[in-house]
Amino acid sequence: NAGVTQTPKFRILKIGQSMTLQCAQDMNHNYMYWYRQDPGMGLKLIYYSVGAGITDKGEVPNGYNVSRSTTEDFPLRLELAAPSQTSVYFCASSGSEVDTQYFGPGTRLTVL
Amino acid sequence: SQKIEQNSEALNIQEGKTATLTCNYTNYSPAYLQWYRQDPGRGPVFLLLIRENEKEKRKERLKVTFDTTLKQSLFHITASQPADSATYLCALEYSGGYNKLIFGAGTRLAVHP
Repeated sequence: NAGVTQTPKFRILKIGQSMTLQCAQDMNHNYMYWYRQDPGMGLKLIYYSVGAGITDKGEVPNGYNVSRSTTEDFPLRLELAAPSQTSVYFCASSGSEVDTQYFGPGTRLTVL
Repeated sequence: SQKIEQNSEALNIQEGKTATLTCNYTNYSPAYLQWYRQDPGRGPVFLLLIRENEKEKRKERLKVTFDTTLKQSLFHITASQPADSATYLCALEYSGGYNKLIFGAGTRLAVHP
């Protein structure tokens, strides 16, 4: 099993550009999450999903959108990138409500 | 709002000693708490989960305690090794379901030979 995979690993965007961060898992998990991690700060939940077609906002959803058309994939869309979105983004999945979260390797995004 | 605090300063210890990391929280009563390890440039890796009705949990050289009265969790690594050097994150379940977690900023542990 590959676990949780994320692409790209690194990306530099200009202010106002858009992009999609890809996340996929092969563990047949229903629960998936997107976090951002800023230097010296804890991970903050952006969006989460409890199954295909079901998504909801986390702590810091502004400036982001998600979709979940399949169990495996949970892409994160950034519209109109801003310098405040410079961060490391982690995708995670979980098999049940009280369970380990498995994290991907992260995407380091810089907005200039 | 919920607040979760971990020692921001790095913890430096000698190989073979026990490392103790602290996680304090306010304004919430989580049903469970998790500890993760994070190495530089990598995603967090799960270590232990402890529920509110459990006082202590062990896994090999790791031990976690959970005091819901003090609103504190302690994470211990016994017989520490240089390979244990990493950042350790505390995470609390919040908002009643779906395994949503709020994370502390983490404590960096350095184990010296």
